[in-house]
Amino acid sequence: GQQLNQSPQSMFIQEGEDVSMNCTSSSIFNTWLWYKQEPGEGPVLLIALYKAGELTSNGRLTAQFGITRKDSFLNISASIPSDVGIYFCAGQDSGTYKYIFGTGTRLKVLA
Amino acid sequence: DGGITQSPKYLFRKEGQNVTLSCEQNLNHDAMYWYRQDPGQGLRLIYYSQIVNDFQKGDIAEGYSVSREKKESFPLTVTSAQKNPTAFYLCASSFGPRGNQPQHFGDGTRLSIL
Repeated sequence: GQQLNQSPQSMFIQEGEDVSMNCTSSSIFNTWLWYKQEPGEGPVLLIALYKAGELTSNGRLTAQFGITRKDSFLNISASIPSDVGIYFCAGQDSGTYKYIFGTGTRLKVLA
Repeated sequence: DGGITQSPKYLFRKEGQNVTLSCEQNLNHDAMYWYRQDPGQGLRLIYYSQIVNDFQKGDIAEGYSVSREKKESFPLTVTSAQKNPTAFYLCASSFGPRGNQPQHFGDGTRLSIL
């Protein structure tokens, strides 16, 4: 099945630093979602994006829907230890309406 | 509280045995989904259901079966035909597959082979 290219695969950062990750696809998507997953739990929805160019914030998190509709990025500002986890992007295929998931960015924050 | 409940949290399967994973939601969602998660990979779609008494195969349906007799429930059976069942299984639901509705997830079931 189709998968998104999500990068980086993993990040080790110092507390207080900003973080940026992105997802790209060869297909056009009509929705982008960003999730966070902690060990042994299910993904939790962070941000949903519905229009090309849309920029949405949720606290220290900001995500954008790329204008080509083939990419999206997530920024986390002033990281804290509880930001640790795996962040997934998901794009909704405009033809099948299925969600395609990225392989995840594993974030570790060093205090 | 509204949400998606998966049970059990941990499940062990013997060779040749079928096992069933439970997924219940009280969010009044129409659509429900089953995903498999392996280390270092994204979520892969096993089966999905848009309405009661209807379901479709996803990308990796072989060795799995589902039923959707009630709106709230979408159990997944991992059959003996699934030769590599060890994985983390996630159930999700949404108001519908169309209309840009985001999916919400349960807390997963980890299946291991004895």
